[in-house]
Amino acid sequence: GQNIDQPTEMTATEGAIVQINCTYQTSGFNGLFWYQQHAGEAPTFLSYNVLDGLEEKGRFSSFLSRSKGYSYLLLKELQMKDSASYLCAVRDSNYQLIWGAGTKLIIKP
Amino acid sequence: ETGVTQTPRHLVMGMTNKKSLKCEQHLGHNAMYWYKQSAKKPLELMFVYSLEERVENNSVPSRFSPECPNSSHLFLHLHTLQPEDSALYLCASSQVIPGSGNTIYFGEGSWLTVV
Repeated sequence: GQNIDQPTEMTATEGAIVQINCTYQTSGFNGLFWYQQHAGEAPTFLSYNVLDGLEEKGRFSSFLSRSKGYSYLLLKELQMKDSASYLCAVRDSNYQLIWGAGTKLIIKP
Repeated sequence: ETGVTQTPRHLVMGMTNKKSLKCEQHLGHNAMYWYKQSAKKPLELMFVYSLEERVENNSVPSRFSPECPNSSHLFLHLHTLQPEDSALYLCASSQVIPGSGNTIYFGEGSWLTVV
């Protein structure tokens, strides 16, 4: 079967750095997405990786290793507004999106 | 503002009621989706419409009935739901271009409670 694994919950301190991991087993691979979802709001697109390596976008970076079936989202200089759930999703060989259950990130002062 | 608007934001309905969720996208996309989001579970794809044709059903119970009158509007008609159908229902849209990232954009969601 197809599966996306990510930690259920993580806690970090304001101003620090946190890495949220995502591992996947899917039928083929056509890209990996990260979304941010604040409580009661729509998931919003953060990043897309289709080739191995690191994609940097301001305070957020996303890394992909296709051979390891692994990605991470790195958040630097954490702010209280970064408290949210972070969703990892992989597009499989049929171009279907397979979603993880999300990682709830709690930022403490 | 995500460019995808859903109404109502909150809905409480009895098991014998009939109601509808509405979605409108202002992004010029050619595909629209309904997802179900339950606590601590992955997003569940319910329906996909591409170029106004339904392309995926995913064995959703018949008490959920989608309608896509044009590329900008999507409805989810609800009838004789069960308490376990209580969840956040998310509408999304994307521009389907073969071989591209095909990023999807979500609406704010409709919180449904079945009593």
